[in-house]
Amino acid sequence: QKEVEQDPGPLSVPEGAIVSLNCTYSNSAFQYFMWYRQYSRKGPELLMYTYSSGNKEDGRFTAQVDKSSKYISLFIRDSQPSDSATYLCAMSYNNNDMRFGAGTRLTVKP
Amino acid sequence: AAGVIQSPRHLIKEKRETATLKCYPIPRHDTVYWYQQGPGQDPQFLISFYEKMQSDKGSIPDRFSAQQFSDYHSELNMSSLELGDSALYFCASSLAGTGGDSPLHFGNGTRLTVT
Repeated sequence: QKEVEQDPGPLSVPEGAIVSLNCTYSNSAFQYFMWYRQYSRKGPELLMYTYSSGNKEDGRFTAQVDKSSKYISLFIRDSQPSDSATYLCAMSYNNNDMRFGAGTRLTVKP
Repeated sequence: AAGVIQSPRHLIKEKRETATLKCYPIPRHDTVYWYQQGPGQDPQFLISFYEKMQSDKGSIPDRFSAQQFSDYHSELNMSSLELGDSALYFCASSLAGTGGDSPLHFGNGTRLTVT
C-alpha cells in the first residue's frame, strides 16, 4: 500500500462547478501538505501549501487538512476550462523527501 | 518571478550512452531535488542536495550521479542508459532552514528518450 492514496480519475465537470479533490495518507508524521497542478508537458506548479491541520484559502482554491483522519482536500470553486490539468497532492514530514499522490486528471468542460 | 530552469528540454540518447541534465534553481534557493516521472506516474524522488552536499537519496540507480556546484546549480549524470530510463526528469528547488515555509518549486523538466 502506498503512503499516499489519490484517485487518478479522470474527473470531468462542467464549467462553474465546485471540484473536490482528495488524498488519504498513512504516515501520521506528515506535517507539510501541498497541492500541485501539472499541465501536460510542464512541471508541477505549487498551488497550495499547508502546515499541520486546518484550512487555507487562496482565491478560488481552498485546501483542507484533517490530520486526525489523515485526509486532505482541495476545493476549486467556479471551475474554469483553464483548470483542466492533473492535480497532485504531496506531503512530507520535514519538507524533504516528499511523497506524491498518483494525481487526479481533471477536465472542466465549457 | 524567476523559476527553476532545466536544460535541455528534450534529449534523445541511445542505449549505453551517457546523458547530463542541468538544473538552475530559483535565486537564493539552496536546496535542489531531482525527481523522475514515468508516463502516468507520480514523481519519484531520486536525490537532493543542500549547500552543495548530498542531503538525501531516494531510488536513484547506481548508474546515476549528481552534484550541486558552488553557484547552486545541479547536474544529474546518467551513464549506461537503459530503455527504462526514458522519463521526465524534474528538478525542484527550495530554501531550507526556514521552519518549513519553503515548499518545492519545480522546473518544466527534461524529457529523456532512450532508444
